[in-house]
Amino acid sequence: AQKITQTQPGMFVQEKEAVTLDCTYDTSDPSYGLFWYKQPSSGEMIFLIYQGSYDQQNATEGRYSLNFQKARKSANLVISASQLGDSAMYFCAINTDKLIFGTGTRLQVFP
Amino acid sequence: GAGVSQSPSNKVTEKGKDVELRCDPISGHTALYWYRQSLGQGLEFLIYFQGNSAPDKSGLPSDRFSAERTGGSVSTLTIQRTQQEDSAVYLCASSLAAGPDYGYTFGSGTRLTVV
Repeated sequence: AQKITQTQPGMFVQEKEAVTLDCTYDTSDPSYGLFWYKQPSSGEMIFLIYQGSYDQQNATEGRYSLNFQKARKSANLVISASQLGDSAMYFCAINTDKLIFGTGTRLQVFP
Repeated sequence: GAGVSQSPSNKVTEKGKDVELRCDPISGHTALYWYRQSLGQGLEFLIYFQGNSAPDKSGLPSDRFSAERTGGSVSTLTIQRTQQEDSAVYLCASSLAAGPDYGYTFGSGTRLTVV
């Protein structure tokens, strides 16, 4: 069975600073995908970034990057230059045949 | 369609009644998923459909929950004899196919309130 652990229920960051959201995972499958989604207060689920288990390089998408450490089974999300609009819930998820989500981290960006 | 469409957006029902939630996936997406999100919680997997394969029902919490997908497109999630603990947002998602490299597009959800 797959498992995702997000140990930070809440995080605060000042605008324009960088922030790292932690995620560790557990799976026995050699092939998997790691995903991060953002859920603002409106409730929609917004895809941010993807990392394949065989990818050698860390994924990046604009201000988002994924710090993938396969041996440690961690897939932390780094948001650079935080903006007020980044305030939301952030979910890490693992996909072998279906997405399994962590419990999420609530990020609050303050001016 | 352009996105995943769910209806109704809100549903209030009395305890003990049956409800049906509908999901219309993105055209051409062969995989369809249902999740449940209780207030302030993460997403709990319920069931998924991939093409003509038997659905993966491993996440359904009880036999009061069932789902079907007709013609490989629209899906209906049915909850029989609703209980107050069924109150949650039910999210549907679709993807091009099932597999580790495929991300999902989510609908806006149905907020179910059982009173």
